[in-house]
Amino acid sequence: SAVISQKPSRDICQRGTSLTIQCQVDSQVTMMFWYRQQPGQSLTLIATANQGSEATYESGFVIDKFPISRPNLTFSTLTVSNMSPEDSSIYLCSVGDTYTEAFFGQGTRLTVV
Amino acid sequence: KQEVTQIPAALSVPEGENLVLNCSFTDSAIYNLQWFRQDPGKGLTSLLLIQSSQREQTSGRLNASLDKSSGRSTLYIAASQPGDSATYLCAVTGGNKLVFGAGTILRVKS
Repeated sequence: SAVISQKPSRDICQRGTSLTIQCQVDSQVTMMFWYRQQPGQSLTLIATANQGSEATYESGFVIDKFPISRPNLTFSTLTVSNMSPEDSSIYLCSVGDTYTEAFFGQGTRLTVV
Repeated sequence: KQEVTQIPAALSVPEGENLVLNCSFTDSAIYNLQWFRQDPGKGLTSLLLIQSSQREQTSGRLNASLDKSSGRSTLYIAASQPGDSATYLCAVTGGNKLVFGAGTILRVKS
């Protein structure tokens, strides 16, 4: 199993600002994933972060809005840029590949006012 | 495009009842299926992982089955407790992605 630490656990931000969310894993992993969970909704994949290459974004998500860094095999960041109230969600990072169990961080609860 | 549906959307039961949560998926070409638990405002806790070649997995009071050909999975919770109250999510893996259902909100009344 993997233990994932995500920071901050929650934040209230002003519209127009940016927030960077950190995700630290206790072991080296090839792929890390970032999800968004809007209020009352299920999880939607934002992007896959691979070490040494640019993140792969899902349809509807763009790098300018959600830049991702993956400097090594245990760490990644997701930035939510130029925030609006519609960005208020829980953001989660995850590890696990096609054949293995997926593990999630405790999430970052973001409120944009 | 894979779609995952969970029924019921919400369920309220008295303590001690056995219950079944349902999950269906449209594309049977999956690698595995996973059940998660999510407490309000929190992250996801993995409950059970069923590989595509397996039929079921058990952990304590939880039992999950998988019928890949019909695109269905069930999560059986025995002797439910108030501490089981949470949202239960199922997700299937195709390629490198997890596709989630909308979840079942479970409330166990004491």
